[in-house]
Amino acid sequence: SSELTQDPAVSVALGQTVRITCQGDSLRVYYANWYQQKPGQAPVLVIHGENNRPSGIPERFSGSSSGDTASLIITGARAEDEADYFCNSRDGVGNHPSYVFGTGTKVTVL
Amino acid sequence: QVQLVESGGGLVKPGGSLRLSCVGSGFTFSDHYMSWIRQTPGKGLEWLSYMSVAGSTINYADSVKGRFTISRDNAGNSLYLQMNGLRVEDTAVYYCARESYDTVTGRYIDVWGKGTTVIVSS
Repeated sequence: SSELTQDPAVSVALGQTVRITCQGDSLRVYYANWYQQKPGQAPVLVIHGENNRPSGIPERFSGSSSGDTASLIITGARAEDEADYFCNSRDGVGNHPSYVFGTGTKVTVL
Repeated sequence: QVQLVESGGGLVKPGGSLRLSCVGSGFTFSDHYMSWIRQTPGKGLEWLSYMSVAGSTINYADSVKGRFTISRDNAGNSLYLQMNGLRVEDTAVYYCARESYDTVTGRYIDVWGKGTTVIVSS
């Protein structure tokens, strides 16, 4: 199965922009999705299909993709954005591909 | 609101079995593929299995194939994971998750339960 690699940690000053990247072969074929996870809580979907925000997710969250790399961008980071972020995509070939998750990035808002 | 609630986790000895359950509410359960995913501090998030709406399509991760069995009861809005031959490395928080479908981008996992903890230890 494929792997999705993320930087372990990034920091961003309050109100600034941070880009979280996710790299893997599956992203050449499938769209990336992004999840936010705060301590002790379940992951929450923030971006799906590369750059679609579910209802209730603030506009400061956006996504992009190029080749084997997908990015989650937080524009104007707020204190409540401090969390772990995971990417994910479908994986494999055939009629029933599986899923693969990224290694996760801890975002610290300074 | 949309909610998934898992249960059935606990402490079990290596080689033992557990059955996890997940009840969905606030949405039409029978319209959605459903998945099980686990999380450990060391290995992160790992997708384990999904099942289609009628149960005709099932897929498993290699790490659990032959040991874990997914099933569902649409009348009861429930998803299950039967786990046999448990190993120490199966220790994790287990999440039930809903999948949705976008006509352009395909299937994706969109809602997670709060998880149930499984500890495999002698």
